[in-house]
Amino acid sequence: NAGVTQTPKFQVLKTGQSMTLQCAQDMNHEYMSWYRQDPGMGLRLIHYSVGAGITDQGEVPNGYNVSRSTTEDFPLRLLSAAPSQTSVYFCASSYSGQSYNEQFFGPGTRLTVL
Amino acid sequence: DQQVKQNSPSLSVQEGRISILNCDYTNSMFDYFLWYKKYPAEGPTFLISISSIKDKNEDGRFTVFLNKSAKHLSLHIVPSQPGDSAVYFCAANTNAGKSTFGDGTTLTVKP
Repeated sequence: NAGVTQTPKFQVLKTGQSMTLQCAQDMNHEYMSWYRQDPGMGLRLIHYSVGAGITDQGEVPNGYNVSRSTTEDFPLRLLSAAPSQTSVYFCASSYSGQSYNEQFFGPGTRLTVL
Repeated sequence: DQQVKQNSPSLSVQEGRISILNCDYTNSMFDYFLWYKKYPAEGPTFLISISSIKDKNEDGRFTVFLNKSAKHLSLHIVPSQPGDSAVYFCAANTNAGKSTFGDGTTLTVKP
């Protein structure tokens, strides 16, 4: 059971480039989410999904797109990278979106935009 | 406006003593509160949670207390161990599927 996996671990982009951060989970969880963590700050929700085919915006969605075609995968797309998107990105999953469900996090992707 | 606040960025305690980490929130719609622990270069891991209808939940060395009238919760670790040194995040959940995190408290437990 690999849990939540994220690729790549590190990435450097130039301003204006696009890329996709991959996230997969093998726990058959319905709920998946993407967070960013900036230095000295907590995790801020970018987008989330309560099941395949259903996505919604979180607190900081601008500049990011998501889709959920399968239960297992939840990729995050940066459309045109900006230096303000330099951050550590965490993908997470939980059994459902119920408030009592804890989330399982991946190891993170450290992104630098020059 | 930040809905979940952890006002102490850092805390240092001696091994064997109690660690108390605090968290305040403003939104009355939060109905579950969770604590996560994070080591460097890893993702957060779940530690303990509490429902808004309870005032205490205990799991081994970890106890979470909730004071709903004060919109305040705290995590107690007794006794503290060097392996507990990590960043601790408080998170508040609603049934709408969203979690709101505090900025974290870095706990250092000295041998």
